[in-house]
Amino acid sequence: EAGVAQSPRYKIIEKRQSVAFWCNPISGHATLYWYQQILGQGPKLLIQFQNNGVVDDSQLPKDRFSAERLKGVDSTLKIQPAKLEDSAVYLCASSLSIAYGLYNEQFFGPGTRLTVL
Amino acid sequence: SQQGEEDPQALSIQEGENATMNCSYKTSINNLQWYRQNSGRGLVHLILIRSNEREKHSGRLRVTLDTSKKSSSLLITASRAADTASYFCATHDNKAAGNKLTFGGGTRVLVKP
Repeated sequence: EAGVAQSPRYKIIEKRQSVAFWCNPISGHATLYWYQQILGQGPKLLIQFQNNGVVDDSQLPKDRFSAERLKGVDSTLKIQPAKLEDSAVYLCASSLSIAYGLYNEQFFGPGTRLTVL
Repeated sequence: SQQGEEDPQALSIQEGENATMNCSYKTSINNLQWYRQNSGRGLVHLILIRSNEREKHSGRLRVTLDTSKKSSSLLITASRAADTASYFCATHDNKAAGNKLTFGGGTRVLVKP
């Protein structure tokens, strides 16, 4: 079974530039998550989708971050404009629909390491 | 904000020894999960323990949960060099929407051959 795919794996940009990350979840997984993991810390949830609808985006800095999952499969996360403090690994994860219950394991992609100079 | 706090932050042991790490959290939970992250890679789910369970085993892993103390422990027995990784606890909050997990800061484990 193919896992969660993410691209690019690495990205270096200057501050104030924009950047986009792509995620393809495991086939059949209705729920998709984007996490930000700053070096030395645990992942922090940015946004959660159920199919193409947003379940939780309470920790997404909406002035500069946006995410979409238009067809309920792939998703993109965008940062515009980037700040130095956005340097982190951005992880995408997916799970079966939350309608199946509360105990769904989340499957993580390899992440995109973003460096903002 | 992060819910779980892992202790210790870092742990160095010899191959064959046991590794124990602890996680404390603040709110009522449905379940607590442990994940492993190898350097530069994504997280891998290890084990889930529900709020009505006290202990769970999976291979060389043993997890305990004490909801009265809001704490959990992960024991890795007979450690191997391949167990070198960061370990994170993640809690599913009773009041959280959907399947939201809140991760702790992690314990970095180094197993020396």
